[in-house]
Amino acid sequence: DVKVTQSSRYLVKRTGEKVFLECVQDMDHENMFWYRQDPGLGLRLIYFSYDVKMKEKGDIPEGYSVSREKKERFSLILESASTNQTSMYLCASTLAGGPRETQYFGPGTRLLVL
Amino acid sequence: SQQGEEDPQALSIQEGENATMNCSYKTSINNLQWYRQNSGRGLVHLILIRSNEREKHSGRLRVTLDTSKKSSSLLITASRAADTASYFCATAGAGTASKLTFGTGTRLQVTL
Repeated sequence: DVKVTQSSRYLVKRTGEKVFLECVQDMDHENMFWYRQDPGLGLRLIYFSYDVKMKEKGDIPEGYSVSREKKERFSLILESASTNQTSMYLCASTLAGGPRETQYFGPGTRLLVL
Repeated sequence: SQQGEEDPQALSIQEGENATMNCSYKTSINNLQWYRQNSGRGLVHLILIRSNEREKHSGRLRVTLDTSKKSSSLLITASRAADTASYFCATAGAGTASKLTFGTGTRLQVTL
């Protein structure tokens, strides 16, 4: 079975802190994604990566950056956390065929910024 | 704006009944997918239907796609309490570089 793991289930940070969210997939997936999920807004794509060291902005990249140094690991970075970044963060990857194919999700990280 | 929009936003049924959720979208697609999310968890892929397919089944799930109406429906037959979750449709555009665009979901409650 494909497994996507995220470093934390719950995280509490203070405004202005630098926050790292990590995602690891155990298959040889090329594409990895970071979404945030907010009530009434569904999932919105923050960034995605289609290969090591390659990244592309999603719909809401402002305030975020990403890093993909190894194929299995995709990190989301909040350079200076703000309260409006309080959200559920979901990582996903695709098995094959490109970013529009079946996505496999991690369990999510619920981030609270105080 | 969201590509896929689910209807209804919330649905409450009794165990054993069928549940139907609908998804409408605006532009041409390559495929449409349905995902389930249990409370506070990640999404789980249920089924993918391509633009040249009209119907697909997987266990108690039946998905239809009508590209002329730009709509899809997800039918869960003989629902169980364990089906209680939020269900999302996601659409993928025609281009090979297209990403998925998710709707806001239908919250299904199945009571005993």
